[in-house]
Amino acid sequence: GAGVSQSPSNKVTEKGKDVELRCDPISGHTALYWYRQRLGQGLEFLIYFQGNSAPDKSGLPSDRFSAERTGESVSTLTIQRTQQEDSAVYLCASSDVGGANYGYTFGSGTRLTVV
Amino acid sequence: QQQVKQSPQSLIVQKGGIPIINCAYENTAFDYFPWYQQFPGKGPALLIAIRPDVSEKKEGRFTISFNKSAKQFSLHIMDSQPGDSATYFCAAPTFSTGTASKLTFGTGTRLQVTL
Repeated sequence: GAGVSQSPSNKVTEKGKDVELRCDPISGHTALYWYRQRLGQGLEFLIYFQGNSAPDKSGLPSDRFSAERTGESVSTLTIQRTQQEDSAVYLCASSDVGGANYGYTFGSGTRLTVV
Repeated sequence: QQQVKQSPQSLIVQKGGIPIINCAYENTAFDYFPWYQQFPGKGPALLIAIRPDVSEKKEGRFTISFNKSAKQFSLHIMDSQPGDSATYFCAAPTFSTGTASKLTFGTGTRLQVTL
């Protein structure tokens, strides 16, 4: 596609429910990143996929958070037993070469609200 | 853990003014410092970036100044326009797994340019 696509754009869920967020990176981009942005805050790193290498999961805040990526395509971020503090915008980015010195292309994010 | 300190948190300038946003980092995987611009409801977009071989980088009305000894870099916006009103994030690269790296972002500066 022309850009990074995220779905859904908005999600309201009840506390304790599981949610799945989806990211479609730009075709051919080998690197994919997930970040979390709380209201009025910066971008908090969650996880980084690079090709077939083991992902960098160092930013996942708890074992309720997990993510998968199939090859160099779609990624899903799953949050189990959601809590109110999980409310945030979840941003996905991709780049055609892995690493911080290549510009990331971000999607528009999924706004998650836990009630 | 790498921190990137960004200031000010918010900034209001009149059209034509020169807003300056500052960032300081602790450690970095290598010298590459990008700035991202984010409009409401959108993901951040790469605005401008500087690499270590220069102390200043200019693109149009946007300039990055870099002071390696002080571990600081800043964004200047010349002749600011209402359309520049957005949130700006600085970032610095941090080590990921193996030789890979990822970006750590500052907390953001909300800029408003008034008529």
